[in-house]
Amino acid sequence: DQQVKQNSPSLSVQEGRISILNCDYTNSMFDYFLWYKKYPAEGPTFLISISSIKDKNEDGRFTVFLNKSAKHLSLHIVPSQPGDSAVYFCAASDSGGGADGLTFGKGTHLIIQP
Amino acid sequence: KAGVTQTPRYLIKTRGQQVTLSCSPISGHRSVSWYQQTPGQGLQFLFEYFSETQRNKGNFPGRFSGRQFSNSRSEMNVSTLELGDSALYLCASTLEGGRDTQYFGPGTRLTVL
Repeated sequence: DQQVKQNSPSLSVQEGRISILNCDYTNSMFDYFLWYKKYPAEGPTFLISISSIKDKNEDGRFTVFLNKSAKHLSLHIVPSQPGDSAVYFCAASDSGGGADGLTFGKGTHLIIQP
Repeated sequence: KAGVTQTPRYLIKTRGQQVTLSCSPISGHRSVSWYQQTPGQGLQFLFEYFSETQRNKGNFPGRFSGRQFSNSRSEMNVSTLELGDSALYLCASTLEGGRDTQYFGPGTRLTVL
């Protein structure tokens, strides 16, 4: 039973446009959400996080939106750059957050087309 | 500051054998977590160690175990290997755990034949 779902295994976006990656969750106890980016042969790298008390968090080109009623979050990348091509993982945790066992989605492979 | 290091990077074993993977966290980090990544299941949490004690555990059989040393380095052991244990094993370190940012190592690619 997957508690964090990324329904798009891959997404192709033109350079300069907006990339929108989606994530749905089923566990209503989740209160902290994160996005990680992973290049081949490297470990995931933390990108941005959001607590359930907020509905938006922005960091440079990256913005995460949280819709608690829909149990849905999305990552927006504007503008998309070639270096953004990677696998993006959505992750969630409850109460303790962080290292208290993050639950990850299966990832979305983002491809930025020149 | 050096990142999280994992050794070895690649490993090939046969069914029934056991394997030990090593993780050195970022200097000063006291919490180490382990994850298994497979194409079918994605990234799954194995366990977390803090101050040489297992603090959290995921839903994996007892064949998967770990330990942490006084210098915060951690090892993960898998006994009686099965074909399904073939995966990328990632470790991540944080300062104290909780909501501290997790920094991941490059992983150890284990292939079980």
